[in-house]
Amino acid sequence: AQKVTQAQTEISVVEKEDVTLDCVYETRDTTYYLFWYKQPPSGELVFLIRRNSFDEQNEISGRYSWNFQKSTSSFNFTITASQVVDSAVYFCALSEPHTSGTYKYIFGTGTRLKVLA
Amino acid sequence: NAGVMQNPRHLVRRRGQEARLRCSPMKGHSHVYWYRQLPEEGLKFMVYLQKENIIDESGMPKERFSAEFPKEGPSILRIQQVVRGDSAAYFCASSKKDRETQYFGPGTRLLVL
Repeated sequence: AQKVTQAQTEISVVEKEDVTLDCVYETRDTTYYLFWYKQPPSGELVFLIRRNSFDEQNEISGRYSWNFQKSTSSFNFTITASQVVDSAVYFCALSEPHTSGTYKYIFGTGTRLKVLA
Repeated sequence: NAGVMQNPRHLVRRRGQEARLRCSPMKGHSHVYWYRQLPEEGLKFMVYLQKENIIDESGMPKERFSAEFPKEGPSILRIQQVVRGDSAAYFCASSKKDRETQYFGPGTRLLVL
């Protein structure tokens, strides 16, 4: 079973539209961390946000906002007034304790966002 | 204030050759992680190292793959006798401590002919 599910494989929107990328996770731990990373066409991975399991407060950073809901195990990402430069693959990741005691990242399969001019 | 550095950015090898991928973590970071990304897929954890120690290698194939993070110098991911299925992007990440945010390098794209 997938621990991090990004059901949307690809989304296309027209510039200035709002778009929400979904992320559903699965864990039995009470302490865990959630992340979003952006992978533009150039290929690098850019860190966007980190959330710990005890902080359900939603976050806004410019045109980006994140909605963390433990009740539905979701950590969704919304881009407001999308721009062409937002075109990228976006990955959601879960960090939870492993049997070794360390924390490891588990990535979703990513959502490819295409913003059309 | 350099980020995580990886080299080479692109590497072409013929089947049976060895591939050596290097990663220099961010300044002040002593935890290094290696991930593999197959085409059109997410990243999969391979190995987690601290200076001179392998902490978790549960994601690393048992044969042909090895990793090290010596006291001095970069972390090295070594793939011996490469096969076509090893073609992928290999990303290195670093963090100050376990549980803290991992920052990724630009990746090394390995192509095995």
